[in-house]
Amino acid sequence: KNQVEQSPQSLIILEGKNCTLQCNYTVSPFSNLRWYKQDTGRGPVSLTIMTFSENTKSNRRYTATLDADTKQSSLHITASQLSDSASYICVVKRNNYGQNFVFGPGTRLSVLP
Amino acid sequence: ETGVTQSPTHLIKTRGQQVTLRCSSQSGHNTVSWYQQALGQGPQFIFQYYREEENGRGNFPPRFSGLQFPNYSSELNVNALELDDSALYLCASSLRAGKGGSPYEQYFGPGTRLTVT
Repeated sequence: KNQVEQSPQSLIILEGKNCTLQCNYTVSPFSNLRWYKQDTGRGPVSLTIMTFSENTKSNRRYTATLDADTKQSSLHITASQLSDSASYICVVKRNNYGQNFVFGPGTRLSVLP
Repeated sequence: ETGVTQSPTHLIKTRGQQVTLRCSSQSGHNTVSWYQQALGQGPQFIFQYYREEENGRGNFPPRFSGLQFPNYSSELNVNALELDDSALYLCASSLRAGKGGSPYEQYFGPGTRLTVT
């Protein structure tokens, strides 16, 4: 069954600290993996897109990793800010010519002052 | 902001009624996807439209239908509303790459919050 799992379900950290969110997937055939940030009541905003051949990708304070062999990805947030408080959703696309996106349930991150 | 707009922002309907949600895609984008997001869960793919034709569908019953217009804006119609249809409905637009092309980015709208009572 094509599934995306994320952990932890929720996370609370202090401002300035780092954190790592995990994503495991059983989706195949794999095309690419995306991380989105979703503020409460808003639409998701893309952080990174990673293809099969990419192991690490950075976008400002966000660094995503992908291990296609173990079907695992992580999103590392450095020097967290209050504005990082949001849900972070891992999404796997099944093929490169189509529309089949499988969304994870998200990790709810709260950054406290 | 992504340039994708949705209307209305919020909507309250009664079980059994019909609803139409609207989405204006980002300029130049020819593909629109619709998602249903229940509270505390990730979005679930409903269907996608590419150049006015349905281009794939998730596990949603036929009472969920859609349209894409020549200007690439889109509608999601839901008939015979059920309580479980209460959710945030998201649309995402993209410029679809050809086969073998780079992965295309999706830009989400702010969503329509539908409550069915």
